[in-house]
Parts: sequence; structure tokens; C-alpha cells
Amino acid sequence: GAVVSQHPSRVICKSGTSVKIECRSLDFQATTMFWYRQFPKQSLMLMATSNEGSKATYEQGVEKDKFLINHASLTLSTLTVTSAHPEDSSFYICSAQDSLNYGYTFGSGTRLTVV
Amino acid sequence: KNQVEQSPQSLIILEGKNCTLQCNYTVSPFSNLRWYKQDTGRGPVSLTIMTFSENTKSNGRYTATLDADTKQSSLHITASQLSDSASYICVVIYQAGTALIFGKGTTLSVSS
Repeated sequence: GAVVSQHPSRVICKSGTSVKIECRSLDFQATTMFWYRQFPKQSLMLMATSNEGSKATYEQGVEKDKFLINHASLTLSTLTVTSAHPEDSSFYICSAQDSLNYGYTFGSGTRLTVV
Repeated sequence: KNQVEQSPQSLIILEGKNCTLQCNYTVSPFSNLRWYKQDTGRGPVSLTIMTFSENTKSNGRYTATLDADTKQSSLHITASQLSDSASYICVVIYQAGTALIFGKGTTLSVSS
């Protein structure tokens, strides 16, 4: 079945630094990738949708200059949290849409802690 | 307004018992409905995918039902195990598969 690899699984960084999270589709081509944020005991909140080779579409309230998304190939999308602050601490999850059958597969998530 | 509502919000059952989780949606145009299991600190894992014409689909001890007329789905878990403790999320895909809406999930706790 479709597999999405997300790295790192956990990261701790200092305030003011930037953190990059990678999302890779291992055995299929993902024309569209999604980035979500999840707070404890809350549902997934869509942050942005990215299509290969084009600019990401951000949800209302999500700062595009703070959460940089790059989808340079059909198998890789990255989310960079720039100038991270403690309030950016959260669980970030990516998902990839299979271009053939529109399946949605999720990565295993990244726990970001900003200290 | 497109919405997905799940009930109950949380549920505690004894190991070995059965349970049923509910999902009601008001999403159009409907493409398919998916149930995911999300363990704490992990990404969601797909359990079942159901299209408009499917009424029932099973995956081991998980059985999902769909009534497209009443826009209701259920996930039945048989002979629960401790490892079933997780959040179960109902997701409705619409607009020809290009958009999706998440329910808030049901948190299931299975105790021994």
C-alpha cells in the first residue's frame, strides 16, 4: 500500500531558529500534499495544500511567511517553520494524495517543541 | 455548510466488548467516506474507504457502514483489544476527491 514517510518524528529547537520537516511519498507520485497541525485532543487542522511545482495554498489565518512550503517534486514536500516560537509547538502531520486513485495517506507526524 | 460530526466524543469499554462509533455528515458533492485510526502521537492510518454505492466494508474486526441517503456512517469494532485504544476519525471526501473534511474524532479507551 501507499506509504508516506515524515521526518523527523520529534524535534526540539530554540526560539528564533528554523525547523524543516520533510514528507515523502515512497511508492507513489503525489500530485498534492497537505500539511496539518494538531493540538492535544483536537482534530487535524489543515494549514496548506501544495501542488508539485506551484505555490502552496494556505488556509485563512496561516502565515505563509512563517510556514514555508516547498513541493519541488512528485515525491517530496517540505514544511519549514521559520523563526519558531513556543506557541508553534505542536504536532505537524502531512498527507499525500495519490494522483492515480485520489487516495489520502498520512505521514506519522512530527512533534515540534520550541524552547 | 459542509460538516462532519462524530459521536460519542469519547468512549470507555472493557476489553472484549463491542462498540459502535457514529459519523453524520452534510457534505456535498460526496465522493467517499473514510475511517482512520490515530494512535497518540502518530499520524492517522486508514481503516476503511467507502464510496456512494457501498453499504458495508470490513477490515478485520472493524466494520464500517454507510447510508448515503441519510448521510450517516458507523464504525463497529468487534471483540475490542487494548490496542484499539485510539482516536477514530471520520473523513468525508468531496468535490470529486479534491477536498476533505475531518470529524473531530471519537476517543476510545479499552480497559482490561
